Amino acid sequence: IAGITQAPTSQILAAGRRMTLRCTQDMRHNAMYWYRQDLGLGLRLIHYSNTAGTTGKGEVPDGYSVSRANTDDFPLTLASAVPSQTSVYFCASSDSPGGTDTQYFGPGTRLTVL
Amino acid sequence: GQNIDQPTEMTATEGAIVQINCTYQTSGFNGLFWYQQHAGEAPTFLSYNVLDGLEEKGRFSSFLSRSKGYSYLLLKELQMKDSASYLCAVMDSNYQLIWGAGTKLIIKP
Repeated sequence: IAGITQAPTSQILAAGRRMTLRCTQDMRHNAMYWYRQDLGLGLRLIHYSNTAGTTGKGEVPDGYSVSRANTDDFPLTLASAVPSQTSVYFCASSDSPGGTDTQYFGPGTRLTVL
Repeated sequence: GQNIDQPTEMTATEGAIVQINCTYQTSGFNGLFWYQQHAGEAPTFLSYNVLDGLEEKGRFSSFLSRSKGYSYLLLKELQMKDSASYLCAVMDSNYQLIWGAGTKLIIKP
């Protein structure tokens, strides 16, 4: 069982380019999340999905979009990348959106926008 | 606004005990989580507190006081592999996790 996988592991991207970060989980979790982690700041929620077919905005959604066509996949798209989107991106999942259910994290994607 | 505060960095000696504090101000409270994150890796779950008191799990314990908006993570018998960042996160009234910036723990021999 792989848990959560993310691709690519790292990427250098020119500003203005479109980029999709992939996230797949095999735990049949209902909820999935995208976070960014920047030095000196806590993890910040970009978008989330409580169940397949639904998505919601987190704390920092601008410049990002997501889709949740099925339970397993939750891609994050940067329509036109900007240098401020340079960050480490973590995908996470949990069995349910709230309560005691732990969020499990993927290995992360390190994105550099030049 | 919502705020989670924890020290930026702490240093401790192998075999000793260290306490990492976390204070929070959030819109609602549905539990407090501690995660461990080694450099270059993903955060991994350590503990969850929703009621006041101490939760013990092996060498790690976590304490919560909801009235004071305060938690701590206690690590005993420190090992070199405990060198990592420790993240405090609170689940708010919307069931979203609000994260602190993390405490980098350095263990010295």
